[in-house]
Amino acid sequence: DQQVKQNSPSLSVQEGRISILNCDYTNSMFDYFLWYKKYPAEGPTFLISISSIKDKNEDGRFTVFLNKSAKHLSLHIVPSQPGDSAVYFCAASRYYGGSQGNLIFGKGTKLSVKP
Amino acid sequence: DTAVSQTPKYLVTQMGNDKSIKCEQNLGHDTMYWYKQDSKKFLKIMFSYNNKELIINETVPNRFSPKSPDKAHLNLHINSLELGDSAVYFCASSPTAGGGNIQYFGAGTRLSVL
Repeated sequence: DQQVKQNSPSLSVQEGRISILNCDYTNSMFDYFLWYKKYPAEGPTFLISISSIKDKNEDGRFTVFLNKSAKHLSLHIVPSQPGDSAVYFCAASRYYGGSQGNLIFGKGTKLSVKP
Repeated sequence: DTAVSQTPKYLVTQMGNDKSIKCEQNLGHDTMYWYKQDSKKFLKIMFSYNNKELIINETVPNRFSPKSPDKAHLNLHINSLELGDSAVYFCASSPTAGGGNIQYFGAGTRLSVL
């Protein structure tokens, strides 16, 4: 049973526009969430994270929003650039206790930013 | 300098063979991980070591045996390879164990079992 779901396998956006990637989770014990970006033939690279005590975290063009009641988070990229084209993975874990840092990943969303 | 490096990048082998994948991190982290990305693209944790001690062992066949000679290295040995072992294997590290840590990944090893 998937505990972290990314229901959109792909997303296409025009350069300069906003990209919104969505992620849902089922386990209410999760309290730390991360987004990773992955280019082909490379490993995932950390992008941004948020803990459950916040509902928003911003880093440059990237903002993550967390809605705990809906068990939903989203990653906003503004403005989108062609270099942002990659697969984006949402991941969740339990900040305190739990399985010692066990990250549960979604299946990923492939973002294509068209010039 | 690559922070988390894995070798080899590609591995093609026959069923029944034994193979090893090596991982090294130069970040000074205490904790290292092995993940498997299968054909459905899910990244799933297999093992985690903290200061050379096993702390996570998900339901992985005992044909898979991790070994950590020191906290900068975590190798994965696979015995009697099966077709279903074909996947991309990623090594990762984090400063410490426990949630709330950012994990840094290697580039992956694509294993193909024929």
